[in-house]
Amino acid sequence: KAGVTQTPRYLIKTRGQQVTLSCSPISGHRSVSWYQQTPGQGLQFLFEYFSETQRNKGNFPGRFSGRQFSNSRSEMNVSTLELGDSALYLCASSLQGSTSTDTQYFGPGTRLTVL
Amino acid sequence: AQTVTQSQPEMSVQEAETVTLSCTYDTSESDYYLFWYKQPPSRQMILVIRQEAYKQQNATENRFSVNFQKAAKSFSLKISDSQLGDAAMYFCAYRWGNDMRFGAGTRLTVKP
Repeated sequence: KAGVTQTPRYLIKTRGQQVTLSCSPISGHRSVSWYQQTPGQGLQFLFEYFSETQRNKGNFPGRFSGRQFSNSRSEMNVSTLELGDSALYLCASSLQGSTSTDTQYFGPGTRLTVL
Repeated sequence: AQTVTQSQPEMSVQEAETVTLSCTYDTSESDYYLFWYKQPPSRQMILVIRQEAYKQQNATENRFSVNFQKAAKSFSLKISDSQLGDAAMYFCAYRWGNDMRFGAGTRLTVKP
């Protein structure tokens, strides 16, 4: 069974631009969570989607948004990029997500650099 | 608020030796889950081991085992017979319901 995939793997943008990242979960997994990983803040939870609905949201500004499609693929969008948005963005999938005892499986991440 | 603390930013171990990585957490809940994830350099984060808080028996996965002390809110990872491929960042994580939190990580170096 294929693992979690994320595209693109690397991205360079300039301040003020917007960016869309994509995540394809493991087949059969309905929950997708997004995390931001930086050297200073570590791993921080962004949001979780389950069955096309945002189930949980972390403490990030409204510039960070996401969505999930009927095939469980998820996209994350960051608008009006700031230098501080430079990070590794990880997505993780699980069968049922936060309301269950599932284990999350992580993708390889998208490294975003904002210049 | 639930927090996860890994007090060792870096650890080093000789190949074939045993190393223990520490993790403590703060929670008022009684039924939760704890995880150790491994993130090798420039590679995907993978689950190493998982522990359900309601289980008293410590989880074991091959060379990896945990020492779960619920009353002390401690969850350490022991790696036996360390191998070069064990070199990575190790993250301890806590999950209760929709709340999942990670520690800052411990960078493990394995010396040949």
